[in-house]
Amino acid sequence: DAGVIQSPRHEVTEMGQEVTLRCKPISGHNSLFWYRQTMMRGLELLIYFNNNVPIDDSGMPEDRFSAKMPNASFSTLKIQPSEPRDSAVYFCASSLVPSQPGEQFFGPGTRLTVL
Amino acid sequence: SQKIEQNSEALNIQEGKTATLTCNYTNYSPAYLQWYRQDPGRGPVFLLLIRENEKEKRKERLKVTFDTTLKQSLFHITASQPADSATYLCALDWDGGYNKLIFGAGTRLAVHP
Repeated sequence: DAGVIQSPRHEVTEMGQEVTLRCKPISGHNSLFWYRQTMMRGLELLIYFNNNVPIDDSGMPEDRFSAKMPNASFSTLKIQPSEPRDSAVYFCASSLVPSQPGEQFFGPGTRLTVL
Repeated sequence: SQKIEQNSEALNIQEGKTATLTCNYTNYSPAYLQWYRQDPGRGPVFLLLIRENEKEKRKERLKVTFDTTLKQSLFHITASQPADSATYLCALDWDGGYNKLIFGAGTRLAVHP
């Protein structure tokens, strides 16, 4: 298996533009997580899905952020409009529940820079 | 609210020594705790999981302890090598039914030859 796939790996955009980040989880996994990592705040959970259904989006910072999972093999995180403070590395992770040992498998991340 | 604390300072040790990293938590009783390794420019990678009813877990040169009374986990790397240099994150389960995790800020380990 190729692992969790994220695209793009790097994104540079200007303030006010729409940004869409993409994630393909590991085949067969039924939980998907979106995280944001910065030096100041560490790794923060934004939203997670189980069987394509959003379970908890309380970590989404503002209405400018939205996430979808139209099917088991694809998810998007959208920021519209983007702001400089959104600059961070965004990770997608997938997991299989219930399972042992309950680990999460992370993608390589998307480094977002908003100018 | 729950809080997870890891050594904020980087840990520098000599090759061959044992590295010990600390993870403390408050206001929560996790069913399990996990440790991840993160290298620069990459996503975290799972290392070990320890359950609340386990005192200790080992995997090759890695050892994790879990003291639910002290609300603390210790992560040990024995016979450390420069290749062990990375940031190590501890994570607590928050919603075991969905594998939701809350991560600590991580501790950067540097192993010097």
